Amino acid sequence: NAGVTQTPKFQVLKTGQSMTLQCAQDMNHEYMSWYRQDPGMGLRLIHYSVGAGITDQGEVPNGYNVSRSTTEDFPLRLLSAAPSQTSVYFCATKTGYSGNTIYFGEGSWLTVV
Amino acid sequence: KNEVEQSPQNLTAQEGEFITINCSYSVGISALHWLQQHPGGGIVSLFMLSSGKKKHGRLIATINIQEKHSSLHITASHPRDSAVYICAVGMYNNNDMRFGAGTRLTVKP
Repeated sequence: NAGVTQTPKFQVLKTGQSMTLQCAQDMNHEYMSWYRQDPGMGLRLIHYSVGAGITDQGEVPNGYNVSRSTTEDFPLRLLSAAPSQTSVYFCATKTGYSGNTIYFGEGSWLTVV
Repeated sequence: KNEVEQSPQNLTAQEGEFITINCSYSVGISALHWLQQHPGGGIVSLFMLSSGKKKHGRLIATINIQEKHSSLHITASHPRDSAVYICAVGMYNNNDMRFGAGTRLTVKP
């Protein structure tokens, strides 16, 4: 997963707290995205960006904010954490359109108590 | 009904066996991806294909666009192949992707 760096790897939050998951890439990819992975379910898209200054909602955006001020960084903000947001979060990048190889970060394990 | 369905959900094989994992999808796609997720969570891309067949070492991926079906084959399976294999589709004409729930493969020595 060289090239896509996610931090932190593990985090425990209390209900109502806010936090930011960081994602940075050094491959100059236009497309960056955040997914959550829950047991028994496929990865689900939270938000994505096709370039600096451009973001859009995915399948499950509620409770999350994103911004893309640079090509390299795409932070995911939890505004007021809820137990339902306990999940594993993956950042991913690729060049251009949906037909290109996708690269994932190593994941961030988030527990909300 | 999920837009991407994988089968089987779980698969146990003996070392050396030929493995097939299937993926069916119900939406228009620009490409189909096969991903591998090892214990510990990291996800790597194995194949991205939009038609025909691709081979990489002992892994072969095929896609039939008309039937909206793809298969991932592993020849001469090995315990190090034990992982979750995920099928994903790039949605046609946008940047969205949809993922199957994954197939957990265990290869016993």
